[in-house]
Amino acid sequence: AAGVIQSPRHLIKEKRETATLKCYPIPRHDTVYWYQQGPGQDPQFLISFYEKMQSDKGSIPDRFSAQQFSDYHSELNMSSLELGDSALYFCASSASGGTPTQYFGPGTRLTVL
Amino acid sequence: AQTVTQSQPEMSVQEAETVTLSCTYDTSENNYYLFWYKQPPSRQMILVIRQEAYKQQNATENRFSVNFQKAAKSFSLKISDSQLGDTAMYFCAWNYGGSQGNLIFGKGTKLSVKP
Repeated sequence: AAGVIQSPRHLIKEKRETATLKCYPIPRHDTVYWYQQGPGQDPQFLISFYEKMQSDKGSIPDRFSAQQFSDYHSELNMSSLELGDSALYFCASSASGGTPTQYFGPGTRLTVL
Repeated sequence: AQTVTQSQPEMSVQEAETVTLSCTYDTSENNYYLFWYKQPPSRQMILVIRQEAYKQQNATENRFSVNFQKAAKSFSLKISDSQLGDTAMYFCAWNYGGSQGNLIFGKGTKLSVKP
């Protein structure tokens, strides 16, 4: 079965640079979620999109923005990167209706030097 | 605010034995969902089992089962016949009944299965 695809899998950036993370949800899933997981921590919700509209917002810094496109893929844009942004970034997707089960992608490991 | 608590930071079990991981949560919602996710060393987040709050019957998936006590707000995970591949961090998560609700995670329990 198709899973959530994230790219790139690893990313190394310098402080103050920008980064773009991409997420391709499971086919026919209309909702995308972004989570950030620091070392030794649980995932923290950043933002979600349903049918290309922002549906919920968590602890996402103002330096970050995201959107969902017409083909339902989503991009997380991160600017003015800080050392503390180094983390594993997960994208998850779900289908509306029924049990709202979120399926996670493999994550993008971002390292800020 | 909703909270999820996992009181066991680390646990270990012998291969083929049974282990139970604890999870409690706090919510004023009546319609919600509970999940257990497994995160092995690869860091992939893998869905283990899910439970709808409106269902009284405990969910079961092969060697994994839950004990859902709604009144006590408790949601424990039982792993039977533990295997070395079960070694992972296990996260309990809560989601309210809306289809776009984000997951709220506990801090996780690191499970080690010993040969």
